[in-house]
Amino acid sequence: KQEVTQIPAALSVPEGENLVLNCSFTDSAIYNLQWFRQDPGKGLTSLLLIQSSQREQTSGRLNASLDKSSGRSTLYIAASQPGDSATYLCAVHQQTGANNLFFGTGTRLTVIP
Amino acid sequence: DAGVIQSPRHEVTEMGQEVTLRCKPISGHDYLFWYRQTMMRGLELLIYFNNNVPIDDSGMPEDRFSAKMPNASFSTLKIQPSEPRDSAVYFCASSLKNTEAFFGQGTRLTVV
Repeated sequence: KQEVTQIPAALSVPEGENLVLNCSFTDSAIYNLQWFRQDPGKGLTSLLLIQSSQREQTSGRLNASLDKSSGRSTLYIAASQPGDSATYLCAVHQQTGANNLFFGTGTRLTVIP
Repeated sequence: DAGVIQSPRHEVTEMGQEVTLRCKPISGHDYLFWYRQTMMRGLELLIYFNNNVPIDDSGMPEDRFSAKMPNASFSTLKIQPSEPRDSAVYFCASSLKNTEAFFGQGTRLTVV
């Protein structure tokens, strides 16, 4: 069964710092990997989707990379802002079996003004 | 499109009562998912539909849980009878096959 792990579970950084969030998965047979943001008490907002054939995807200050063979993805946030404070979740869409997303447990990010 | 719409946003009910959660997926999406989120277990897939047909309900915890999708624009998740351990945030999501999934704002269920 696919297992998705996110490290660290929590991260605090001062405003302006660049940071990297990590995601690893055990089964590399995936269609794509999706990064989400979740604010407290809110739903999940899709940030980036990387297809299995892609190496990276960028949106504004966010850059997500994917190394499918090693089962890893990173989300890079440049010039962090207090508004980036949220929980970040990665999820993989597996090729075999059910067409659903397997989620990591998330990294709770706090950007300190 | 207004995105995935869930109702109600919050539900407080007494143990033993029936609870019905509702979801309207994004128009044109042929996959609909129901997830449950708790602090202890994170996000868990309960069931998903393809073209209104339930495909995988292995995540449904017990027979007390049931889900229906009578048409492409509406789905319900029902819990009968509800128990305190069902308290969680329930999310609905929709997508096309193997593409970006979009989530609703969730229903926070509290069973007392």
